Amino acid sequence: LAKTTQPISMDSYEGQEVNITCSHNNIATNDYITWYQQFPSQGPRFIIQGYKTKVTNEVASLFIPADRKSSTLSLPRVSLSDTAVYYCLVGDGYGNKLVFGAGTILRVKS
Amino acid sequence: DTAVSQTPKYLVTQMGNDKSIKCEQNLGHDTMYWYKQDSKKFLKIMFSYNNKELIINETVPNRFSPKSPDKAHLNLHINSLELGDSAVYFCASSQADEQYFGPGTRLTVT
Repeated sequence: LAKTTQPISMDSYEGQEVNITCSHNNIATNDYITWYQQFPSQGPRFIIQGYKTKVTNEVASLFIPADRKSSTLSLPRVSLSDTAVYYCLVGDGYGNKLVFGAGTILRVKS
Repeated sequence: DTAVSQTPKYLVTQMGNDKSIKCEQNLGHDTMYWYKQDSKKFLKIMFSYNNKELIINETVPNRFSPKSPDKAHLNLHINSLELGDSAVYFCASSQADEQYFGPGTRLTVT
């Protein structure tokens, strides 16, 4: 199973752009990269998924370089409510290989 | 219109007891999961079921037994509870890598 490595924590201020990078050196050809967000006392929530290059949705962007050994989740103009744990996962697209790492605790300050 | 629901939300019990946690999803997904999140916030997959068949059975004690009466339900039965079983247990469902998590069941073993 492909493992992921993320920073343990990050601090930011409201209105800033936050970039969280994840390393997945042994990602397989068929693996997708998925990011989840978890608030205290709640289950994780899907944010975004990609295979290569760039993916953007209404809440985030995901940048994946050509070698796919890392990815960067970009959160534009964060607010206090974006304070959460962010998990990076790699999987085969069928939900059978997902491994949650330790995640990155993002603290947004006013 | 809860997508993935779990009962109970909180469960306090004594060592040696047997307890069950129920999970239901109304999303029509084929795959359901049980995760354990310990006090250090690591989220570990325990079981994965696809169309009522066990797909993943990670290294968990055989005191934990999942049961899927139909595609929409995946219950977790735990025998002879131990102090180390105290954690938050999350149920999830998916069609691919986007998993939908339930609100979690906080199990406390005293």
